[in-house]
This record gives sequence, structure tokens and C-alpha cells, in this order.
Amino acid sequence: AQSVAQPEDQVNVAEGNPLTVKCTYSVSGNPYLFWYVQYPNRGLQFLLKYITGDNLVKGSYGFEAEFNKSQTSFHLKKPSALVSDSALYFCAVRDMEESGNTGKLIFGQGTTLQVKP
Amino acid sequence: KAGVTQTPRYLIKTRGQQVTLSCSPISGHRSVSWYQQTPGQGLQFLFEYFSETQRNKGNFPGRFSGRQFSNSRSEMNVSTLELGDSALYLCASSSNHGGYEQYFGPGTRLTVT
Repeated sequence: AQSVAQPEDQVNVAEGNPLTVKCTYSVSGNPYLFWYVQYPNRGLQFLLKYITGDNLVKGSYGFEAEFNKSQTSFHLKKPSALVSDSALYFCAVRDMEESGNTGKLIFGQGTTLQVKP
Repeated sequence: KAGVTQTPRYLIKTRGQQVTLSCSPISGHRSVSWYQQTPGQGLQFLFEYFSETQRNKGNFPGRFSGRQFSNSRSEMNVSTLELGDSALYLCASSSNHGGYEQYFGPGTRLTVT
């Protein structure tokens, strides 16, 4: 079965420091990977995706993610964290085991990012 | 483009009642998916509709149902509400090509008492 794991419930980082939010996946075939962010009482906002091509993917708000096929990881990164980046982050993979085209996403449990001034 | 809209934003119902939630996708998007978000179970897929047809369904009881209209708007219905149905229900739309990234609405917060 396909799955996504976010091993850290919470990540704490000081403003201005680099941040990393970890994600590992287990899929059959080539993965379609996504990162989303959720602010309190809001829906999920799309940050970036990896489909194919360069292993370093750039997304919204200065975020980027590194795809590593050998380690089956897709870690989210940002060179310099902002207090406003504090939110809940979700890694997701498109469910490719379903027949035909489908948009179904399998989500990790989420990681709370806390950026302190 | 306007984003995904969901109505209502908040809802309080009593056990045993039924509820209907509505979702309007981004213009041009024909795929609409629904997810349930709870603190204990996280984000769980309910179902996906494309061109008025359900093409994928999650592991939820038959009390959860949905439909999609010709304008791609979608509704989901939950009958015989249980306390455990209290959750944030998120709707997402996507185009049927490219990366299939989904764009989410703000959600409907359902509280069952």
C-alpha cells in the first residue's frame, strides 16, 4: 500500500535560520509528490510539486523541496525562516494504485512548524 | 481566477440528522475531491468526482455520499450523523492533466452534538 510519513510532529526553528520539514514516501512506480501548508481555520494551500525532472523543486513563498529517489524522501526546505511560516505542513503523494486517472492524494500526518523570533 | 468556495463554513447539527455541504471548484476544473480532516485521523479521502461521475471512493460508510453537477459543482451528504462525524470537510478541485495538484477550499467545520 502506498503511504507517506512525516516523522516529526513539530519542528522548531529560529527566525532567519534554515528550516527542513521531513517527508518519506512508499509508492509503486514513479511518485507524484506535493507539499501543502495549512494555517489555523483555513484550507490547505498548495506549495509545490514534484512530477519529474530536477530533483530540487522551487515553490511558493521561498520554499523548495528536494526529491531523493534512493532515500524515498521529499523534504521541504527554506533557506531563511519567517515567523509567518509558522503553520501545519502536509506532504502528500498521488495514489497511483487506483486504476485510471485519479486525483486522490494520500497525506502524511502533518508537521507543525514553529518559527520563533 | 476565483478559488474553491465551500458553503456553509460552519455547521452545527444533532446526532441522527443529515447534512449537505456544497463546493464550487475553480473555473475550468472538472475534478472535485472531498476530504475529512480530524485531529485523530488526519486527512482522509472521501471521494472524487469527474464529469459528474464518481471515479474514486475512500473507506467511509455508505452514510457519506456525494454528487457532481454538470457545472462541476459538487455536494456531499452525510445522513444519520454521528458524533464522530464532527470534522473539517475539505473540498479540492484540480484539472485533469499535468501534475493533478489539488486546490483546496476553506472547508466546512461540522460539529455534531
